[in-house]
Amino acid sequence: SQQGEEDPQALSIQEGENATMNCSYKTSINNLQWYRQNSGRGLVHLILIRSNEREKHSGRLRVTLDTSKKSSSLLITASRAADTASYFCATDAGGSNYKLTFGKGTLLTVNP
Amino acid sequence: DAGVTQSPTHLIKTRGQQVTLRCSPKSGHDTVSWYQQALGQGPQFIFQYYEEEERQRGNFPDRFSGHQFPNYSSELNVNALLLGDSALYLCASNRPPGQETQYFGPGTRLLVL
Repeated sequence: SQQGEEDPQALSIQEGENATMNCSYKTSINNLQWYRQNSGRGLVHLILIRSNEREKHSGRLRVTLDTSKKSSSLLITASRAADTASYFCATDAGGSNYKLTFGKGTLLTVNP
Repeated sequence: DAGVTQSPTHLIKTRGQQVTLRCSPKSGHDTVSWYQQALGQGPQFIFQYYEEEERQRGNFPDRFSGHQFPNYSSELNVNALLLGDSALYLCASNRPPGQETQYFGPGTRLLVL
């Protein structure tokens, strides 16, 4: 079963605009990660945020984590056409659980 | 520094056949995980190998089996293929302790006819 659920399922914006994607999960976690996937290829790791962190930045990416609400958001600022991809959040399940559980992803389309 | 590599890139099989997919982890990584991604879905965890042993397994039948070699590379075997096994198979590697960031390969796209 999918632990992470991304919202929205699809998002279409213009170049230069900001894109916000949300992720909700069900169980306690050690960390939450965001990945990008272009056209059914391999996943590219974007950012990892630990359960004791509330916000993290990496370039044009900003991730927040609210463990009380079991949710996270990914903000991409000043989007570019090259940001067009599917974005997935992935969680571990805490403890010594080694597997990542992914949601169904958000398909982001950035129009030139 | 080579990333995660997988072979082959594409594969077509018929129902009932067996398939073997291969993965070489990123340099310095000794843990390999396999995921299945159906069209329009997120990746689903199949299993993880560390020190040549299966450390954890997802909700997949015994038709799915794996192996890790002393050089940390890994194979995924699927027996008695079903149409529903058609998917992108992703290999990921990381270095313990903890799972931390997993680095993914480009995947093998399997089509079962």
